[in-house]
Amino acid sequence: RKEVEQDPGPFNVPEGATVAFNCTYSNSASQSFFWYRQDCRKEPKLLMSVYSSGNEDGRFTAQLNRASQYISLLIRDSKLSDSATYLCVDERNTGRRALTFGSGTRLQVQP
Amino acid sequence: NAGVTQTPKFQVLKTGQSMTLQCAQDMNHNSMYWYRQDPGMGLRLIYYSASEGTTDKGEVPNGYNVSRLNKREFSLRLESAAPSQTSVYFCASRSDRARGYTFGSGTRLTVV
Repeated sequence: RKEVEQDPGPFNVPEGATVAFNCTYSNSASQSFFWYRQDCRKEPKLLMSVYSSGNEDGRFTAQLNRASQYISLLIRDSKLSDSATYLCVDERNTGRRALTFGSGTRLQVQP
Repeated sequence: NAGVTQTPKFQVLKTGQSMTLQCAQDMNHNSMYWYRQDPGMGLRLIYYSASEGTTDKGEVPNGYNVSRLNKREFSLRLESAAPSQTSVYFCASRSDRARGYTFGSGTRLTVV
């Protein structure tokens, strides 16, 4: 079982739609969580951190449920420029502090 | 612009050849990382360095060596390249205080 699991998609949605991605993690030692965005053939870039209380950044809302070991990302009013792969990531601080990546969910926003 | 610089951007090797991937950051970060990304598998940690002079194995270290030359530079060496090492390699660094990591633009390596 992968340590961070995501639905690979692709999610094909029209402009203006609301889309949600889910992610589960298996390591209870995971302490910090992030969503990264990766454009085709580019490096991952931090989209937002995920906090237990939930957090919002413009059209993006992230939620964390530690009891269920579940993370979500909601994108409202999708734009063409949101088309990318979204990587669910956790960070552990036991032994080594490094990121563990899910394999990503691909989003294609269509006109 | 400040960030993480990787060289080369592209490389084709023959099986058995050796090469070193270079990475440098100018953000005064202590921690640096090497990841590889294969289709459908996400990024996997090869080696990391928590500070100058220290290195540790990650999830997939076999076939690689690293060197933390100084605080800025962290290189990844393939001593005898194999087709299974065909991948995109990303270097990253992290500040001790800030959340989030900064990635280089990647090296696309093909071993034939």
